[in-house]
Amino acid sequence: QVQLVQSGAEVKKPGASVKVSCKASGYTFITFGISWVRQVPGQGLEWMGYINTYNGDTKYSQNLQGRLTMTTDTSSSTAYMELRSLRSDDTAVYYCARDPTWGYFEVWGRGTLITVSS
Amino acid sequence: DLQMTQSPSTLSASVGDRVTITCRASQSVSSWLAWYQQKPGKAPKLLIYKASTLESGVPSRFSGSGSGTEFTLTISSLQPDDFATYYCQHFNSYPYTFGQGTKVEIK
Repeated sequence: QVQLVQSGAEVKKPGASVKVSCKASGYTFITFGISWVRQVPGQGLEWMGYINTYNGDTKYSQNLQGRLTMTTDTSSSTAYMELRSLRSDDTAVYYCARDPTWGYFEVWGRGTLITVSS
Repeated sequence: DLQMTQSPSTLSASVGDRVTITCRASQSVSSWLAWYQQKPGKAPKLLIYKASTLESGVPSRFSGSGSGTEFTLTISSLQPDDFATYYCQHFNSYPYTFGQGTKVEIK
């Protein structure tokens, strides 16, 4: 079945970087895009950006532009999200989601909790 | 950025009730709207896309309607498994944005 398996929870210090992985299985990786969505504990959902897994094109939220990079490794069907210069308000659960390029999210990973704390 | 506003923020209902959640966009999103259900500690689950298309495997008691700036999610007969938080999301243009969520609680 279609699955997105994310890397495990991490604790980071302010100013550090984090790279979260999202390994896809059960479908042809390059036929669907991947979006990343985050959720501060107890709060709503925030779209972070999208990567076209076929050609690597990206779209990022302006709020995160400059700190965010999305990449893929098509040989392992894995998408990556790197966030730099972490702040305490980046503490959130980070989700990857399969995006059929329309912009809605059909399948979600289980989420990765990133805690930013000194 | 385009703003999505849901109402109500919290809804108390009983099993068997008909429930309606509204989502309003600050400008037209045509029919580029999705609805998700999220339970505590879990990832969101897609229910409806393109305003009214039911995702495969989602029970038919869920339905979506609307276009332009006003949309509704209706649960025709609330079941115990439906107590959760519901979010709308537009995908008309970047950046995509979500509503703030509607929590459906047991009355």
